[in-house]
Amino acid sequence: AQKVTQAQTEISVVEKEDVTLDCVYETRDTTYYLFWYKQPPSGELVFLIRRNSFDEQNEISGRYSWNFQKSTSSFNFTITASQVVDSAVYFCALSNAGNNRKLIWGLGTSLAVNP
Amino acid sequence: DAMVIQNPRYQVTQFGKPVTLSCSQTLNHNVMYWYQQKSSQAPKLLFHYYDKDFNNEADTPDNFQSRRPNTSFCFLDIRSPGLGDTAMYLCATWGAPRTDTQYFGPGTRLTVL
Repeated sequence: AQKVTQAQTEISVVEKEDVTLDCVYETRDTTYYLFWYKQPPSGELVFLIRRNSFDEQNEISGRYSWNFQKSTSSFNFTITASQVVDSAVYFCALSNAGNNRKLIWGLGTSLAVNP
Repeated sequence: DAMVIQNPRYQVTQFGKPVTLSCSQTLNHNVMYWYQQKSSQAPKLLFHYYDKDFNNEADTPDNFQSRRPNTSFCFLDIRSPGLGDTAMYLCATWGAPRTDTQYFGPGTRLTVL
């Protein structure tokens, strides 16, 4: 069975601190995709990144970076120099490959960045 | 430009009064999804369409129905809303600009009084 675990329910930091959101996944598939989505208070789910199971390269996008490690089944997300606008719920998700793909969601991590 | 559009953004209905939420997509993708998301929870998949093939999740109540008249549009019908159906309803599809990525609409916040 597929499963995504985000052990951190809530995190609170002060602006400019670095923060890492953890994501651990379980799957028996050899081909799969991992995602991070941001959900601000407005409610819309904003796509941040997708990684496929064959690409373990870490990625950096501005203040955001992602560390994908198949050996530990983890796909962690780091925000450097956090800002108040980063306050949101962040979801990690996993999908299989193929035509009828579905997302398996973690429970989300609520991040509060305080001024 | 918006790729997945949902209307209305906010909907208030009375207990037992049918309500329809709409979703349209400009990505021309053959798969569309409806999710329900309650406060402080992850999105929960209700059903999805693969072309015109309707795929219901096993635990989706019969009270929830869906229609997909064409590739672009999909509707969520709640036949007799209960108080427990108060939630955000999200529509999604896969597609460009990044393939193998699911894109979401802004959601409809439904309140059942």
